Amino acid sequence: DSGVTQTPKHLITATGQRVTLRCSPRSGDLSVYWYQQSLDQGLQFLIQYYNGEERAKGNILERFSAQQFPDLHSELNLSSLELGDSALYFCASSVASSGGIYEQYFGPGTRLTVT
Amino acid sequence: AQTVTQSQPEMSVQEAETVTLSCTYDTSESDYYLFWYKQPPSRQMILVIRQEAYKQQNATENRFSVNFQKAAKSFSLKISDSQLGDAAMYFCAYRSAVNRDDKIIFGKGTRLHILP
Repeated sequence: DSGVTQTPKHLITATGQRVTLRCSPRSGDLSVYWYQQSLDQGLQFLIQYYNGEERAKGNILERFSAQQFPDLHSELNLSSLELGDSALYFCASSVASSGGIYEQYFGPGTRLTVT
Repeated sequence: AQTVTQSQPEMSVQEAETVTLSCTYDTSESDYYLFWYKQPPSRQMILVIRQEAYKQQNATENRFSVNFQKAAKSFSLKISDSQLGDAAMYFCAYRSAVNRDDKIIFGKGTRLHILP
């Protein structure tokens, strides 16, 4: 158990819908990262937040957005869902924002299936 | 942009034998970190081993060790005395030590099968 929690574990929804994935980082961690794991693209970095502020963006679609709240939990919002958005979405957390050999601890992931 | 390449989509090894997973990467940065992550059927991402680029000594964690060749931009993982529990997808990964962000860049993965 990494200490990072993600809900829900599984999500099945239809095309065109909107969903919210939730992540609670390890106690004391200020950084939250979102990654997408799909068969086509492999594991890709989506976005990073540090202490409530966006720190870095990766290959995140405009239909996707995220935020980190004052209690440091984070939500990833996916809208206008397409079949290709079906993937495993990981949240990770770390104590730092940049530099250093700080480990990123991964949550168990949310499996999103778009039908 | 940095890239990570794992050229072996799948590998098999007999239980108790040794296996080496290959990884090459491309970067223009001089300071960075390299990782091997394991993803068993449970899908949990587990850090196996990490290497700091400025360290010449190869990292070792119990049965896991790496062969880090900085000039060749190569970072292979050796698993000794393979066990059934080692069966998983293994990802080689890169993280900059100089960028403001510390996103991880992953390779496509190598699926490792352990034969009893």
